[in-house]
Amino acid sequence: EAQVTQNPRYLITVTGKKLTVTCSQNMNHEYMSWYRQDPGLGLRQIYYSMNVEVTDKGDVPEGYKVSRKEKRNFPLILESPSPNQTSLYFCASRRRTGETGSGYTFGSGTRLTVV
Amino acid sequence: KQEVTQIPAALSVPEGENLVLNCSFTDSAIYNLQWFRQDPGKGLTSLLLIQSSQREQTSGRLNASLDKSSGRSTLYIAASQPGDSATYLCAVSGAGRRALTFGSGTRLQVQP
Repeated sequence: EAQVTQNPRYLITVTGKKLTVTCSQNMNHEYMSWYRQDPGLGLRQIYYSMNVEVTDKGDVPEGYKVSRKEKRNFPLILESPSPNQTSLYFCASRRRTGETGSGYTFGSGTRLTVV
Repeated sequence: KQEVTQIPAALSVPEGENLVLNCSFTDSAIYNLQWFRQDPGKGLTSLLLIQSSQREQTSGRLNASLDKSSGRSTLYIAASQPGDSATYLCAVSGAGRRALTFGSGTRLQVQP
């Protein structure tokens, strides 16, 4: 089944303890991206990657890191999480521009709570 | 900067009604527009994708239209069912395709 897989689905952590949220897609998509969803603020892009080794900041990149060493994986790293990073996180991927059906596929989400 | 607005913010209808959800965007230079469904606390499920050159797309009881020049899209749901209850999100992809810009969603409740 074509999908974007995020892990973990739920995570409670303490302030300052480094964590990684993994994201993997099995559709051979070039583009991947991370979003966070907050009440009243909607979905906002954190980082995106147009291809392997190519990443760039989205609208809210502060406090986050990403890497794209392989095409299928795009982990989100919080080196020193803070309570304001408590949110619902989504990973998404899509085909290269111009290819048929280049809409976005989203993962099931990771609910992160930082205490 | 692209802004996407969805009206209404919430909608409650009896089962069987046909309904229309509205989405407007400020910058008409879009690549495509995508409608998603989100159940509470869950992920986003893609419903329909409309390329900028297209006027509409249909899937089952769903029909989405796009008027790029006026910056509008509508999602039409025919014969609504309680299982359609969810939040519906409209998202546009700009010409550079670096990000999706989302509306704030329409929360739909279909009463049995």
